[in-house]
Amino acid sequence: DIQMTQSPSSLSASVGDRVTITCRASQGIRVDLGWYQQKPGKAPKRLISAAFSLQSGVPSRFSGSASGTEFTLTISSLQPEDFATYYCLQHHSYPLTFGPGTKVD
Amino acid sequence: EIQLVESGGDLVQPGRSLRLSCAASGFTFDDYAMHWVRQAPGKGLEWVSGISWNGGSVAYADSVKGRFSISRDNAQNSLHLQMNSLRPEDTALFYCTKDIQAILSPGGYFDYWGQGTLVTVSS
Repeated sequence: DIQMTQSPSSLSASVGDRVTITCRASQGIRVDLGWYQQKPGKAPKRLISAAFSLQSGVPSRFSGSASGTEFTLTISSLQPEDFATYYCLQHHSYPLTFGPGTKVD
Repeated sequence: EIQLVESGGDLVQPGRSLRLSCAASGFTFDDYAMHWVRQAPGKGLEWVSGISWNGGSVAYADSVKGRFSISRDNAQNSLHLQMNSLRPEDTALFYCTKDIQAILSPGGYFDYWGQGTLVTVSS
């Protein structure tokens, strides 16, 4: 099974900050990685698919990048509505595996 | 508008069974693979199971293999999860999700999520 690690597990940031979250896969997954945002008490929402592709309706301050088995979610200028937990998910091979999450507060 | 509405969550004793359902609307259900994802209280997300557009291919997390069974009824636009031999560690909010692909293959993505149904396993 592919293991996903995510760092940091939590971070404190302020409005306007640039935030970077990293996921690392235990083996190559091409760009078969997605990012999701979850707010307390709510279902996760889609952000980015295929490592780079911003989903419809997602603000352009969100972006994704990849280098080998390392994937990065960047929020260029943190907004109040961005305080949430972020998860990566490898969709390369089954069983699918999520990263443990990064809480941004 | 795409909607996924889960139901069937309940409080059950260890060792008992439960069947979850997900009613889908707003899209052509039999064009897409579907999945179940769960989240234990205060914990992260865990993929549970997936099924291809026609039910011909299914997959399970190791933690539920042999105990859970996923199925779909394309005539009724519904997804199901039969959960047997439930354990306290199965306590979680179960989400139904829609894939962007029809089959269980690399490159999928969950573009829509339901609001979840709560399963509590306790004596």
